[in-house]
Amino acid sequence: TQLLEQSPQFLSIQEGENLTVYCNSSSVFSSLQWYRQEPGEGPVLLVTVVTGGEVKKLKRLTFQFGDARKDSSLHITAAQPGDTGLYLCAGAYGAQKLVFGQGTRLTINP
Amino acid sequence: NAGVTQTPKFQVLKTGQSMTLQCAQDMNHEYMSWYRQDPGMGLRLIHYSVGAGITDQGEVPNGYNVSRSTTEDFPLRLLSAAPSQTSVYFCASSGRGGGGYTFGSGTRLTVV
Repeated sequence: TQLLEQSPQFLSIQEGENLTVYCNSSSVFSSLQWYRQEPGEGPVLLVTVVTGGEVKKLKRLTFQFGDARKDSSLHITAAQPGDTGLYLCAGAYGAQKLVFGQGTRLTINP
Repeated sequence: NAGVTQTPKFQVLKTGQSMTLQCAQDMNHEYMSWYRQDPGMGLRLIHYSVGAGITDQGEVPNGYNVSRSTTEDFPLRLLSAAPSQTSVYFCASSGRGGGGYTFGSGTRLTVV
C-alpha cells in the first residue's frame, strides 16, 4: 500500500511570511504532483516533478522532488492572501495511479 | 474546451438505492480515474482505467462498479448506496505522458 504523509495539515500565517509544506513516503514514485483545490471545485494541477532532485519554480512557489523520489516539498515565498487554499501532493505509481497526501489547508492573513 | 464534465453536481440517495455518476472528457485522454474525498482523508482512488475496455480497482473499490466502453466516458455505479458512501466524488483524466491529471468539479453525494 502506497502512503504519502503531508505536513502540516493546517497552516495559518501572516502575509509576507515564507512557508514550506512537506510530503514524505517510504515508497518510490514515478512522479510527484502538486495540486491546489478551492472550495466546491476539483483539484487543479500546479506542477509535476519527475526526476530525483528536480526543482521547479512557479512564480513565488518552489517545488522540489527528493533525490530518491520518495519525498517532495512546496515552498512559498512572501505569501499573499490569494495563496489561501488546500494544497495536495500526490505520488504517481503503476499506470499513473495517484496516492494523495491528506492535504494542507493554508490561510494567509492580510 | 470543456475538460472533464461530471454530472450531477449534487445528489441525495436513500440507503439501498442505486445510481450512476457520469464523467466525460473531451481531451482524448487514455487514463481516467474516480476518487472520493472525505474530511481528513484526502482523495482515495476507487477505480481507474488505462483505456477503453480496461478497468481496474483502486484503494477503495467495494460498493462501486465502473466500465469504459469509449475513450470519453467513465461512469461510476453505486450498486446499493450506504451512508458510508456519503462523500464528494471526483473524476479525473490524464494523457499517457504522465503530466498530471485534469479533475472534474465533483459530485457531492449524500446517502440517508
